[in-house]
Amino acid sequence: DTEVTQTPKHLVMGMTNKKSLKCEQHMGHRAMYWYKQKAKKPPELMFVYSYEKLSINESVPSRFSPECPNSSLLNLHLHALQPEDSALYLCASSPEGGYGGNTIYFGEGSWLTVV
Amino acid sequence: AQTVTQSQPEMSVQEAETVTLSCTYDTSENNYYLFWYKQPPSRQMILVIRQEAYKQQNATENRFSVNFQKAAKSFSLKISDSQLGDTAMYFCAFMKTMDSNYQLIWGAGTKLIIKP
Repeated sequence: DTEVTQTPKHLVMGMTNKKSLKCEQHMGHRAMYWYKQKAKKPPELMFVYSYEKLSINESVPSRFSPECPNSSLLNLHLHALQPEDSALYLCASSPEGGYGGNTIYFGEGSWLTVV
Repeated sequence: AQTVTQSQPEMSVQEAETVTLSCTYDTSENNYYLFWYKQPPSRQMILVIRQEAYKQQNATENRFSVNFQKAAKSFSLKISDSQLGDTAMYFCAFMKTMDSNYQLIWGAGTKLIIKP
């Protein structure tokens, strides 16, 4: 069973909608991640939060807005998305970010369809 | 820059057989970590096995084991007594020991199908 919980599992939204993806972990991890994954491709890193501060933004369009309210929670706010943004969005966490080969643990993902 | 190559886009074996998935990588680093992740149709990315480059001993996890050849930069995954539940995409991934970019470098993946 995953210890990284993502909601909702499926989301369909129009291009003018505002929605949010949510992620929670209770492993005491201090780094949290958002990845985007297209079918049959490996995940692409979008954002990294380390100790609740945004550490990495991989040139993601501003229509994606991350938020880390505390060390256990990570949100991804979505606004004015395009159909090409339809994908699986994976949340992940690791004990610390980027050091010592910390293993990254993934949630089950949120399927996003933009219509 | 680091790269990871998985040369087998798709493989298919009978249940209970042994299968080996290949992965090669390129890096100038001496210390790093290698991972195999499994992604079944449910789409959750699950860690299968992890190897520290400074350890000569190959990592094992139940039916899963790796053949880590550091000099050859090869990191293959062997699945013994394959089961239907092993059907999944398998990704090989690399991480530097100290990486302020938090990057997992991924291979393209191998789709493994276990036939009954």
